[in-house]
Amino acid sequence: TQLLEQSPQFLSIQEGENLTVYCNSSSVFSSLQWYRQEPGEGPVLLVTVVTGGEVKKLKRLTFQFGDARKDSSLHITAAQPGDTGLYLCAGGIQFYFGTGTSLTVIP
Amino acid sequence: SAVISQKPSRDICQRGTSLTIQCQVDSQVTMMFWYRQQPGQSLTLIATANQGSEATYESGFVIDKFPISRPNLTFSTLTVSNMSPEDSSIYLCSVAGAVGQPQHFGDGTRLSIL
Repeated sequence: TQLLEQSPQFLSIQEGENLTVYCNSSSVFSSLQWYRQEPGEGPVLLVTVVTGGEVKKLKRLTFQFGDARKDSSLHITAAQPGDTGLYLCAGGIQFYFGTGTSLTVIP
Repeated sequence: SAVISQKPSRDICQRGTSLTIQCQVDSQVTMMFWYRQQPGQSLTLIATANQGSEATYESGFVIDKFPISRPNLTFSTLTVSNMSPEDSSIYLCSVAGAVGQPQHFGDGTRLSIL
């Protein structure tokens, strides 16, 4: 089983603050995906990272894949209430999902 | 991306009964999956729905409890059999173009068992 551990599990911050979410594993992944899920909806794909060391930006969100392809991070700059949700990393042929990070951005 | 419709969106069921959840996709897809999720927590893969053959179940999930059908490339059903309160959860259908590719999800079925 390829476990993906996310930290922190819960995060509550004020609007305008920056934050980083981590996704770690002891296994190597050919790619990792990040999803965001809002209450009552299914997860929505944010990005896929493929190359070790790769950095991708999606507006205020910056995603990085570790050099060894065992870990990834998601950095949000100047968080907004619309960023509130459950953030999940996922990877592997068997589609293992990380343990999840629940983010609340307070106006 | 594919549009996925899941029915019902929610249901409240009696202990010992069974419920079938439907997943309809607006285009043909290679991979279809069923997940279970407790509110606010991560997703656990139940099984991969295989077109024209038996589903592939993950450890801890069995066909007698969660029978799955996939008659074609756009439709699948998951049945939760002989339900107990421990089966109360959100059940999600997802699709992907191929193994390892990103998935697209339905909005889920929120199931409560009394």
